[in-house]
Amino acid sequence: AQTVTQSQPEMSVQEAETVTLSCTYDTSESDYYLFWYKQPPSRQMILVIRQEAYKQQNATENRFSVNFQKAAKSFSLKISDSQLGDAAMYFCAYRSAVVYGNKLVFGAGTILRVKS
Amino acid sequence: KAGVTQTPRYLIKTRGQQVTLSCSPISGHRSVSWYQQTPGQGLQFLFEYFSETQRNKGNFPGRFSGRQFSNSRSEMNVSTLELGDSALYLCASSLADLSSYEQYFGPGTRLTVT
Repeated sequence: AQTVTQSQPEMSVQEAETVTLSCTYDTSESDYYLFWYKQPPSRQMILVIRQEAYKQQNATENRFSVNFQKAAKSFSLKISDSQLGDAAMYFCAYRSAVVYGNKLVFGAGTILRVKS
Repeated sequence: KAGVTQTPRYLIKTRGQQVTLSCSPISGHRSVSWYQQTPGQGLQFLFEYFSETQRNKGNFPGRFSGRQFSNSRSEMNVSTLELGDSALYLCASSLADLSSYEQYFGPGTRLTVT
């Protein structure tokens, strides 16, 4: 079974600064997707960024980028120029590309606090 | 395009009762997945429905069940409620094929069991 580990229960960042959230995963599958989801206090889960395992290039979405290290099974999220609206719980998630279906395996989450 | 909707948003039930939660996916989405979110266990996959058939199932007892209708709307049912069933229940919809990996989440139903 696949597992996702987020070792940082809570992180803080100063507004306009950069922060990196860590995620490691364990799988025996060769093809999969990785995601970072954001859950603000409203509880609405929002997809931040995705990475296909077969792609070597790290995904980037505006101020959000990932550092995907397939051999190390590591998938960190970097948030640049942090904004107050970035404060939320961030979840790392895994989805198989081998087994048909949309099951997501989530990490425990990291609370990100943004200081003004 | 309307997002994923879940009803009701909040629910209070008594131990031993049963409850039904509803999820309407984004128009055109045929897959609906359900997740339970609790402070202790985090986000856990319950099950997924596609074309009215359960496609995947998580490790939950048989008290948790679901179904999907021909219009892709889905319901989940929890029978004989226990205090530990208090949670935020999220549903997510997506297109059905392997290449379409993005899931869109609803706002959740907050269930409190007393």
